[in-house]
Amino acid sequence: AQTVTQSQPEMSVQEAETVTLSCTYDTSESDYYLFWYKQPPSRQMILVIRQEAYKQQNATENRFSVNFQKAAKSFSLKISDSQLGDAAMYFCAYRSAVQGGSEKLVFGKGTKLTVNP
Amino acid sequence: DGGITQSPKYLFRKEGQNVTLSCEQNLNHDAMYWYRQDPGQGLRLIYYSQIVNDFQKGDIAEGYSVSREKKESFPLTVTSAQKNPTAFYLCASTSWGGSNQPQHFGDGTRLSIL
Repeated sequence: AQTVTQSQPEMSVQEAETVTLSCTYDTSESDYYLFWYKQPPSRQMILVIRQEAYKQQNATENRFSVNFQKAAKSFSLKISDSQLGDAAMYFCAYRSAVQGGSEKLVFGKGTKLTVNP
Repeated sequence: DGGITQSPKYLFRKEGQNVTLSCEQNLNHDAMYWYRQDPGQGLRLIYYSQIVNDFQKGDIAEGYSVSREKKESFPLTVTSAQKNPTAFYLCASTSWGGSNQPQHFGDGTRLSIL
């Protein structure tokens, strides 16, 4: 079974600075997808960024980028120019790409990000 | 606008009572999922369904039941057998078929014990 580990229960960053959230995962599969979701105090789950395992290029979405290291099974999220609205719980998630599979998401336990003004 | 609607937002359960959480989507998604969220635990999969009239147990299905009579709807019943039902419940949906499409989530239902 796949597992996802987020080793930082809490992180803080100063507004306008850069922060990196860590995520490692364990799988024997070669094809899969990785996601970062943001959950603000409203509890809504919002997709931040996604990465296909077969792509070597790291995904970027505006101020958000990932460092995907497939051999190391690492998938960290970098937030540049942090804003107060970035404060939230961040969840790393894994999804198998095996045909006919459940396509369920396996989540890490989350990292609570605080942005200080 | 397309999306996922969960209701109610807050729900209270008495001892020995079954309660049902509603999840409706108008995204024309094939697959639907129920997750439970506890503090410090992340999200854990309860049940999922990839087609109408079919569903599968997730990692923590004991004490829960579901049905999938319509593509748009995937209600979750928390039965009296679930001894610790207090949690935040999230419903999600996605297109099925190996695509990289992310799961879309509803706004959640918070269930508490009276």
